[in-house]
Amino acid sequence: AQSVAQPEDQVNVAEGNPLTVKCTYSVSGNPYLFWYVQYPNRGLQFLLKYITGDNLVKGSYGFEAEFNKSQTSFHLKKPSALVSDSALYFCAVRDGSGGYQKVTFGTGTKLQVIP
Amino acid sequence: DVKVTQSSRYLVKRTGEKVFLECVQDMDHENMFWYRQDPGLGLRLIYFSYDVKMKEKGDIPEGYSVSREKKERFSLILESASTNQTSMYLCASIPSGGGETQYFGPGTRLLVL
Repeated sequence: AQSVAQPEDQVNVAEGNPLTVKCTYSVSGNPYLFWYVQYPNRGLQFLLKYITGDNLVKGSYGFEAEFNKSQTSFHLKKPSALVSDSALYFCAVRDGSGGYQKVTFGTGTKLQVIP
Repeated sequence: DVKVTQSSRYLVKRTGEKVFLECVQDMDHENMFWYRQDPGLGLRLIYFSYDVKMKEKGDIPEGYSVSREKKERFSLILESASTNQTSMYLCASIPSGGGETQYFGPGTRLLVL
């Protein structure tokens, strides 16, 4: 079985400071990893994904994430936080081996950027 | 741009009612999904469909059924709504063999009284 852990329910960061939202995963085959963002009363929007290749993945709105196979982590980062980054962030994983398999989402981390 | 629409943003229903949630995508995607989102639990997969008239159970299918008569439309049915089905329901779609990104609808917030 595959799983995702987002250990922090909420992360607070001052505007202009770097931010990190943590994610660790467990999957038996090749990990396909994703970050999605959800603004209030909206559906999820795709931010970035890791399928293969470079461990550092760049995505939308200046976000990036680093795939670390030995630590089974895929932390989301941004060098300088904006107030508009305040939202709910979800990490997700699926097993990329073989045919299509379902995606498992984490419980979400609320990011609060303080002006 | 891919567009996934859901028939209602907010719904209020009574216990025991049959409830239909509709999802339509306009990009000819083969795979469609229904999730429910609850605080502290994240997104949990209810059902998914990889083709017309095909369906697979997700992690929490009990109390739900689905229908996919046309490729663009995927319906979630609550046969007899209960208060523990009060939740945010999210529909998503992805193409087969054409990428991994899920495209989500805006969600339906359902309150069962």
